[in-house]
Amino acid sequence: QKEVEQDPGPLSVPEGAIVSLNCTYSNSAFQYFMWYRQYSRKGPELLMYTYSSGNKEDGRFTAQVDKSSKYISLFIRDSQPSDSATYLCAMRGVTSGTYKYIFGTGTRLKVLA
Amino acid sequence: NAGVTQTPKFQVLKTGQSMTLQCAQDMNHEYMSWYRQDPGMGLRLIHYSVGAGITDQGEVPNGYNVSRSTTEDFPLRLLSAAPSQTSVYFCASRKGTSGTDTQYFGPGTRLTVL
Repeated sequence: QKEVEQDPGPLSVPEGAIVSLNCTYSNSAFQYFMWYRQYSRKGPELLMYTYSSGNKEDGRFTAQVDKSSKYISLFIRDSQPSDSATYLCAMRGVTSGTYKYIFGTGTRLKVLA
Repeated sequence: NAGVTQTPKFQVLKTGQSMTLQCAQDMNHEYMSWYRQDPGMGLRLIHYSVGAGITDQGEVPNGYNVSRSTTEDFPLRLLSAAPSQTSVYFCASRKGTSGTDTQYFGPGTRLTVL
């Protein structure tokens, strides 16, 4: 079983829709939770990070962490065609190797104009 | 700032050939890493470095060597290329060990081994 599970998609939504992207994980030591956006043939770029449980909002993006369920989510409001990309979740544990991250496989999102 | 740069962008090798993937950053970051990205596998850590002269293995180090002689550069060497090393390779850097430190990725090198 992978430490981090993420539905690969693809997920197609109409412009303006609310998008929900999710990851589940098995390692209770994870404390830092991140979402990266990766455009085609580009490197990943950090969208948001959250420490421990709770919500964090940044413009149209909201990240949620539910440590009791080992479940994290990224919501995109008023989705735009420019949001079309692959979204990777990533996690890091305070008790694990300091310099290592565990990444999900990514969910491919397509927002249709 | 150029951020994290990688060369070449694309490379085709024959089995058994060796080559070096270059990575450089101009942000004075201590921590640098190499990842490979394969379909259905996500990003997997190959090697990482916590500063000049210090490197360590990641999740999938076999067949790769690294060195870190300067803060800026972190080259990845393929010793004897194999088809299983066909992948997209990303270099990344970050300032420190805090979980809130942003990890910056380069644009990637697409490698095909025939």
